[in-house]
Amino acid sequence: EVQLVESGGGLVQPGGSLRLSCAASGFSFSNYWLSWVRQAPGKGLEWVAKIKQDGSDKDYVDSVKGRFTISRDNAKNSLYLQMNSLRADDTAVYYCVKEGWYCFDYWGQGTLVTVSS
Amino acid sequence: QSALTQPPSASGSPGQSVTISCTGTSSDIGGYNYVSWYQHHPGKAPKLIISEVTKRPSGVPDRFSGSKSGNTASLTVSGLQAEDEADYYCSSFAGSKNFLFGTGTSVTVL
Repeated sequence: EVQLVESGGGLVQPGGSLRLSCAASGFSFSNYWLSWVRQAPGKGLEWVAKIKQDGSDKDYVDSVKGRFTISRDNAKNSLYLQMNSLRADDTAVYYCVKEGWYCFDYWGQGTLVTVSS
Repeated sequence: QSALTQPPSASGSPGQSVTISCTGTSSDIGGYNYVSWYQHHPGKAPKLIISEVTKRPSGVPDRFSGSKSGNTASLTVSGLQAEDEADYYCSSFAGSKNFLFGTGTSVTVL
Protein backbone atom coordinates (compact mmCIF):
# COMPACT_ATOMS: atom_id res chain seq x y z
CA GLU A 1 0.00 0.00 0.00
CA VAL A 2 1.35 3.40 -0.99
CA GLN A 3 1.77 5.73 1.98
CA LEU A 4 2.94 9.33 2.03
CA VAL A 5 3.24 10.98 5.44
CA GLU A 6 4.05 14.68 5.67
CA SER A 7 5.54 16.43 8.69
CA GLY A 8 7.16 19.71 9.62
CA GLY A 9 4.25 22.10 9.32
CA GLY A 10 3.45 24.71 11.93
CA LEU A 11 3.19 28.39 12.73
CA VAL A 12 5.95 30.65 11.43
CA GLN A 13 6.36 34.41 11.25
CA PRO A 14 6.45 36.25 7.92
CA GLY A 15 9.97 36.11 6.53
CA GLY A 16 10.72 32.92 8.41
CA SER A 17 11.66 29.44 7.20
CA LEU A 18 10.26 25.96 7.50
CA ARG A 19 11.28 22.56 6.17
CA LEU A 20 8.62 20.04 5.27
CA SER A 21 9.36 16.34 5.06
CA CYS A 22 7.50 13.45 3.47
CA ALA A 23 8.15 9.81 4.33
CA ALA A 24 7.15 7.43 1.56
CA SER A 25 6.55 3.70 1.51
CA GLY A 26 4.83 1.03 -0.54
CA PHE A 27 6.37 1.83 -3.93
CA SER A 28 9.76 2.10 -5.63
CA PHE A 29 10.48 5.64 -4.46
CA SER A 30 13.45 6.31 -6.72
CA ASN A 31 11.47 5.49 -9.88
CA TYR A 32 8.99 8.35 -9.73
CA TRP A 33 8.70 12.09 -10.05
CA LEU A 34 7.32 13.64 -6.85
CA SER A 35 5.52 16.91 -6.24
CA TRP A 36 4.28 19.22 -3.53
CA VAL A 37 0.75 20.57 -3.97
CA ARG A 38 -0.86 23.07 -1.61
CA GLN A 39 -4.34 24.25 -0.69
CA ALA A 40 -4.82 27.63 0.94
CA PRO A 41 -7.76 28.01 3.34
CA GLY A 42 -11.01 28.10 1.36
CA LYS A 43 -9.14 27.87 -1.94
CA GLY A 44 -8.40 25.24 -4.55
CA LEU A 45 -5.36 23.08 -5.16
CA GLU A 46 -2.15 24.59 -6.48
CA TRP A 47 0.86 22.65 -7.75
CA VAL A 48 4.00 24.04 -6.05
CA ALA A 49 7.08 22.07 -7.08
CA LYS A 50 8.26 18.83 -8.62
CA ILE A 51 11.48 16.80 -8.72
CA LYS A 52 12.76 14.13 -11.06
CA GLN A 53 13.60 10.61 -9.95
CA ASP A 54 17.32 11.29 -9.41
CA GLY A 55 16.87 14.91 -8.29
CA SER A 56 18.56 16.27 -11.43
CA ASP A 57 15.52 18.21 -12.64
CA LYS A 58 13.24 20.45 -10.61
CA ASP A 59 10.49 22.93 -11.38
CA TYR A 60 8.48 25.42 -9.37
CA VAL A 61 5.38 27.55 -9.66
CA ASP A 62 6.41 31.16 -10.32
CA SER A 63 5.20 32.42 -6.94
CA VAL A 64 7.74 30.32 -4.99
CA LYS A 65 10.75 30.43 -7.32
CA GLY A 66 13.82 31.63 -5.45
CA ARG A 67 12.18 31.01 -2.06
CA PHE A 68 11.35 27.28 -1.99
CA THR A 69 13.66 24.36 -2.73
CA ILE A 70 12.49 20.81 -3.35
CA SER A 71 14.84 17.92 -2.70
CA ARG A 72 14.77 14.17 -2.10
CA ASP A 73 16.82 11.44 -0.47
CA ASN A 74 16.21 8.19 -2.31
CA ALA A 75 18.17 6.21 0.30
CA LYS A 76 15.69 7.37 2.95
CA ASN A 77 12.58 7.32 0.74
CA SER A 78 12.03 10.93 1.70
CA LEU A 79 10.94 14.13 -0.03
CA TYR A 80 11.57 17.62 1.33
CA LEU A 81 10.47 21.20 0.78
CA GLN A 82 12.65 23.96 2.20
CA MET A 83 10.56 27.13 2.43
CA ASN A 84 12.31 30.46 3.02
CA SER A 85 11.09 34.05 3.10
CA LEU A 86 7.61 32.83 3.90
CA ARG A 87 4.66 35.12 3.26
CA ALA A 88 1.08 35.15 4.50
CA ASP A 89 -0.13 33.84 1.15
CA ASP A 90 1.99 30.72 1.62
CA THR A 91 -0.42 29.66 4.38
CA ALA A 92 -1.87 26.35 3.22
CA VAL A 93 -2.07 22.63 3.70
CA TYR A 94 0.90 21.15 1.84
CA TYR A 95 0.49 17.72 0.26
CA CYS A 96 3.24 15.33 -0.76
CA VAL A 97 2.23 13.70 -4.03
CA LYS A 98 3.51 10.82 -6.13
CA GLU A 99 3.23 11.39 -9.86
CA GLY A 100 1.80 8.84 -12.22
CA TRP A 101 1.51 9.16 -15.99
CA TYR A 102 0.67 12.87 -16.33
CA CYS A 103 -1.38 12.78 -13.14
CA PHE A 104 -0.99 12.73 -9.35
CA ASP A 105 -1.88 9.19 -8.34
CA TYR A 106 -1.19 9.12 -4.60
CA TRP A 107 -1.43 11.90 -2.03
CA GLY A 108 -0.53 12.28 1.61
CA GLN A 109 -2.96 13.72 4.16
CA GLY A 110 -1.11 17.02 4.25
CA THR A 111 0.61 19.24 6.78
CA LEU A 112 -0.60 22.73 7.69
CA VAL A 113 1.71 25.70 7.34
CA THR A 114 0.51 28.96 8.88
CA VAL A 115 2.43 32.16 8.22
CA SER A 116 1.36 34.82 10.67
CA SER A 117 2.76 37.27 13.18
CA GLN B 1 -1.02 30.70 -15.76
CA SER B 2 -4.57 30.82 -14.41
CA ALA B 3 -6.47 28.02 -12.77
CA LEU B 4 -8.89 25.98 -14.82
CA THR B 5 -12.52 27.08 -14.37
CA GLN B 6 -15.05 24.86 -12.62
CA PRO B 7 -18.52 25.67 -11.27
CA PRO B 8 -18.36 26.27 -7.51
CA SER B 9 -21.09 23.78 -6.73
CA ALA B 10 -23.26 21.00 -8.12
CA SER B 11 -25.92 18.81 -6.58
CA GLY B 12 -28.18 15.88 -7.23
CA SER B 13 -30.42 13.42 -5.46
CA PRO B 14 -29.30 9.86 -4.74
CA GLY B 15 -29.38 7.82 -7.93
CA GLN B 16 -29.24 10.85 -10.20
CA SER B 17 -26.31 12.02 -12.29
CA VAL B 18 -24.23 15.16 -11.96
CA THR B 19 -21.78 16.54 -14.50
CA ILE B 20 -18.96 18.93 -13.64
CA SER B 21 -17.26 21.01 -16.31
CA CYS B 22 -13.63 22.15 -16.36
CA THR B 23 -12.70 24.87 -18.84
CA GLY B 24 -9.19 25.75 -19.89
CA THR B 25 -7.43 26.85 -23.03
CA SER B 26 -5.70 25.40 -26.06
CA SER B 27 -2.45 25.53 -24.05
CA ASP B 28 -3.66 23.06 -21.47
CA ILE B 29 -6.89 21.03 -21.79
CA GLY B 30 -7.22 21.62 -25.52
CA GLY B 31 -3.59 20.81 -26.22
CA TYR B 32 -3.16 17.53 -24.40
CA ASN B 33 -5.17 14.43 -23.49
CA TYR B 34 -3.82 14.62 -19.96
CA VAL B 35 -6.82 15.71 -17.92
CA SER B 36 -7.25 14.12 -14.51
CA TRP B 37 -9.89 14.41 -11.80
CA TYR B 38 -9.55 14.19 -8.02
CA GLN B 39 -12.08 13.59 -5.26
CA HIS B 40 -11.33 15.33 -1.99
CA HIS B 41 -13.16 14.75 1.24
CA PRO B 42 -12.04 17.62 3.51
CA GLY B 43 -9.43 16.54 6.00
CA LYS B 44 -8.47 13.50 3.95
CA ALA B 45 -6.00 12.86 1.17
CA PRO B 46 -7.27 13.74 -2.32
CA LYS B 47 -7.91 10.69 -4.48
CA LEU B 48 -7.29 10.24 -8.20
CA ILE B 49 -10.51 9.09 -9.90
CA ILE B 50 -9.85 9.80 -13.60
CA SER B 51 -6.61 10.10 -15.57
CA GLU B 52 -5.86 10.76 -19.24
CA VAL B 53 -9.37 12.19 -19.72
CA THR B 54 -11.25 8.90 -19.46
CA LYS B 55 -9.22 6.28 -17.58
CA ARG B 56 -10.38 5.03 -14.17
CA PRO B 57 -7.71 3.71 -11.79
CA SER B 58 -8.27 0.32 -10.29
CA GLY B 59 -10.90 0.41 -7.55
CA VAL B 60 -12.72 3.52 -8.79
CA PRO B 61 -16.38 2.70 -9.48
CA ASP B 62 -17.55 2.90 -13.09
CA ARG B 63 -20.11 5.47 -11.93
CA PHE B 64 -17.32 7.98 -12.51
CA SER B 65 -16.58 8.87 -16.13
CA GLY B 66 -14.64 11.57 -17.92
CA SER B 67 -14.73 13.21 -21.32
CA LYS B 68 -13.28 16.15 -23.22
CA SER B 69 -14.35 18.41 -26.05
CA GLY B 70 -12.07 21.17 -27.22
CA ASN B 71 -10.89 23.21 -24.25
CA THR B 72 -13.48 21.78 -21.82
CA ALA B 73 -13.31 18.54 -19.87
CA SER B 74 -16.18 17.00 -17.92
CA LEU B 75 -16.65 14.57 -15.06
CA THR B 76 -19.94 12.72 -14.74
CA VAL B 77 -20.97 10.92 -11.59
CA SER B 78 -23.85 8.57 -12.29
CA GLY B 79 -26.05 6.92 -9.71
CA LEU B 80 -25.08 9.43 -7.03
CA GLN B 81 -24.40 8.00 -3.60
CA ALA B 82 -24.05 9.72 -0.25
CA GLU B 83 -20.32 9.02 -0.16
CA ASP B 84 -19.87 10.95 -3.41
CA GLU B 85 -20.45 14.19 -1.51
CA ALA B 86 -17.01 15.82 -1.73
CA ASP B 87 -14.97 18.45 -3.51
CA TYR B 88 -13.85 17.59 -7.04
CA TYR B 89 -10.87 19.09 -8.84
CA CYS B 90 -9.76 18.76 -12.44
CA SER B 91 -6.15 19.08 -13.52
CA SER B 92 -4.42 19.33 -16.87
CA PHE B 93 -0.88 19.13 -18.11
CA ALA B 94 0.03 22.58 -19.39
CA GLY B 95 3.37 21.94 -21.05
CA SER B 96 6.93 22.46 -19.77
CA LYS B 97 6.39 19.96 -16.93
CA ASN B 98 3.67 22.17 -15.43
CA PHE B 99 0.21 21.23 -14.27
CA LEU B 100 -2.84 23.38 -13.61
CA PHE B 101 -5.67 22.58 -11.24
CA GLY B 102 -9.27 23.64 -11.48
CA THR B 103 -10.98 25.97 -9.03
CA GLY B 104 -12.89 23.07 -7.50
CA THR B 105 -16.54 22.00 -7.35
CA SER B 106 -18.38 21.07 -4.19
CA VAL B 107 -20.85 18.27 -4.88
CA THR B 108 -23.84 17.92 -2.57
CA VAL B 109 -26.02 14.84 -2.48
CA LEU B 110 -29.49 16.10 -1.62
